[in-house]
Amino acid sequence: AQSVSQHNHHVILSEAASLELGCNYSYGGTVNLFWYVQYPGQHLQLLLKYFSGDPLVKGIKGFEAEFIKSKFSFNLRKPSVQWSDTAEYFCAVNANGGYNKLIFGAGTRLAVHP
Amino acid sequence: SQTIHQWPATLVQPVGSPLSLECTVEGTSNPNLYWYRQAAGRGLQLLFYSVGIGQISSEVPQNLSASRPQDRQFILSSKKLLLSDSGFYLCASTFRTSYEQYFGPGTRLTVT
Repeated sequence: AQSVSQHNHHVILSEAASLELGCNYSYGGTVNLFWYVQYPGQHLQLLLKYFSGDPLVKGIKGFEAEFIKSKFSFNLRKPSVQWSDTAEYFCAVNANGGYNKLIFGAGTRLAVHP
Repeated sequence: SQTIHQWPATLVQPVGSPLSLECTVEGTSNPNLYWYRQAAGRGLQLLFYSVGIGQISSEVPQNLSASRPQDRQFILSSKKLLLSDSGFYLCASTFRTSYEQYFGPGTRLTVT
């Protein structure tokens, strides 16, 4: 069965620190990859996505993620975090042909201190 | 763009009572619709999905059921709630040809 692992459940950073959140998935075929973010009191929203092409994808608010097929990874990065990035981040995977079903990781809670 | 409405926003129900959560979608037709449950530290678990009116697929055995009486309406139900049904329930929608899912605001259910 497909699964998604997010390595860090809680991350605490100071403003301007760099961020990298790990995500690994288990599926050997073609995948579509997503990072979603849930800010406090807000809807879950799409941060960025990878379908094909350039494995380095850029999303909203300065976030980017790199798809490394050989490592089954899709890590999220941001060079300099802000207090407003405090949120919960979810990695998700869709395997082609699965009625667009998404498999989510457990999530990472990021707290950025000013 | 799609807008997803869910109600109620919060609900407190006693064990053994029935449940009905509603989700409606605007801005698209013939969407795929999904019900997820979000538990702290466990991410989102897909409960049901639907590719059309009356077509429901269940992902996990449980005390819940889903129905899709109209194209843009998705309902999550239970005849008798259990304590373990407490959680945060999210409805999501996607275009048939897209893999991006849009989420509603969610319903916080507490079973007492």
